Amino acid sequence: AQKVTQAQTEISVVEKEDVTLDCVYETRDTTYYLFWYKQPPSGELVFLIRRNSFDEQNEISGRYSWNFQKSTSSFNFTITASQVVDSAVYFCALSEVSGGGADGLTFGKGTHLIIQP
Amino acid sequence: DAGVIQSPRHEVTEMGQEVTLRCKPISGHDYLFWYRQTMMRGLELLIYFNNNVPIDDSGMPEDRFSAKMPNASFSTLKIQPSEPRDSAVYFCASSRQSNYGYTFGSGTRLTVV
Repeated sequence: AQKVTQAQTEISVVEKEDVTLDCVYETRDTTYYLFWYKQPPSGELVFLIRRNSFDEQNEISGRYSWNFQKSTSSFNFTITASQVVDSAVYFCALSEVSGGGADGLTFGKGTHLIIQP
Repeated sequence: DAGVIQSPRHEVTEMGQEVTLRCKPISGHDYLFWYRQTMMRGLELLIYFNNNVPIDDSGMPEDRFSAKMPNASFSTLKIQPSEPRDSAVYFCASSRQSNYGYTFGSGTRLTVV
């Protein structure tokens, strides 16, 4: 069965610091998808990134970057020059492919990121 | 595109009452998912549909929970009878084929007293 582990329950940094959120996953499938979602205090779940298991290229989007390493089953998320608006709970999630179609997401427990001014 | 629309946003009900949560997925999305979020258990998949057909309901906690999708633009999650431990935020999400991406609704915060 699939599993996602976010070992960091809470991280607190001062604004402008860089911060990395860890994500380790387990799956028996060779084809799968990894996601990161942001949940701000307002409660909605905001999609950040989707990565398939065949694409190990790192991705950068503004201050956000993601490091996918199949060898260590990790999909870490780094925020550079953090800002107070980045304060939120961040979820890593895994979706396996069954029968070629979409499957449900298995979420980690989330990391509560606090950016102090 | 209006996104995934859930109603109501908040629901407070008494134990034993029937509760119905509603979801309108994004037009053209073939998959619809219901999730529940609690402090203790985090985000859990309850059930999902493909082309209006339930595919996997193994996450539904008890027979008191049921879900339907009568057409491509509407789904309901019903709890009957409700219990205090059902208090949670219930999210609906929709997706196209092949794990393209999941768009979540704003959630329904259910409180059973």
